[in-house]
Amino acid sequence: TQLLEQSPQFLSIQEGENLTVYCNSSSVFSSLQWYRQEPGEGPVLLVTVVTGGEVKKLKRLTFQFGDARKDSSLHITAAQPGDTGLYLCAGQHRGSNDMRFGAGTRLTVKP
Amino acid sequence: EAQVTQNPRYLITVTGKKLTVTCSQNMNHEYMSWYRQDPGLGLRQIYYSMNVEVTDKGDVPEGYKVSRKEKRNFPLILESPSPNQTSLYFCASSLGLGSEAFFGQGTRLTVV
Repeated sequence: TQLLEQSPQFLSIQEGENLTVYCNSSSVFSSLQWYRQEPGEGPVLLVTVVTGGEVKKLKRLTFQFGDARKDSSLHITAAQPGDTGLYLCAGQHRGSNDMRFGAGTRLTVKP
Repeated sequence: EAQVTQNPRYLITVTGKKLTVTCSQNMNHEYMSWYRQDPGLGLRQIYYSMNVEVTDKGDVPEGYKVSRKEKRNFPLILESPSPNQTSLYFCASSLGLGSEAFFGQGTRLTVV
């Protein structure tokens, strides 16, 4: 089984702080996505990364794909309470047709 | 409006009583899948379909069936539900593998 491991599982910070969450696998990804899920809703796509070493920015969110395409990180600068939610990474491993999700990082940003 | 529609949103049933959760998408997507979400385990893929009449097992297919007779619909069937299938279920669709997945609102199933 090709697992996606996310860390940390829970993160509680104050408004204005920076944070980084991680997604790791022992296998190479063909592509990797980050989603954000709010209570009572389905996940919503934030970004897709495909190329090793790729960096994408979405306002205060910076996504990085590892050079070897086995890991990724999400960095949030100056977190706000509106960033609170469950952050999930999902990937398609090379040679497989299924999409696998990590267990998620539950982020709480306190005012 | 582009969307994935699941029904019902909530369902409480008894062990062994067959049930179907429907999923429909209006985006002409080829790839559709079902996931269950349990605390601490994230989303685990149950079944997926690359196109009409093509379905494959995901990580946790035991106790579930699916069909893909039409492109837009991908129902999830529990022939004989058991309490360990109590979970939050999501249907998703995308243009293809690796493309943005659009999720339904979820179905919270309780089997007693």
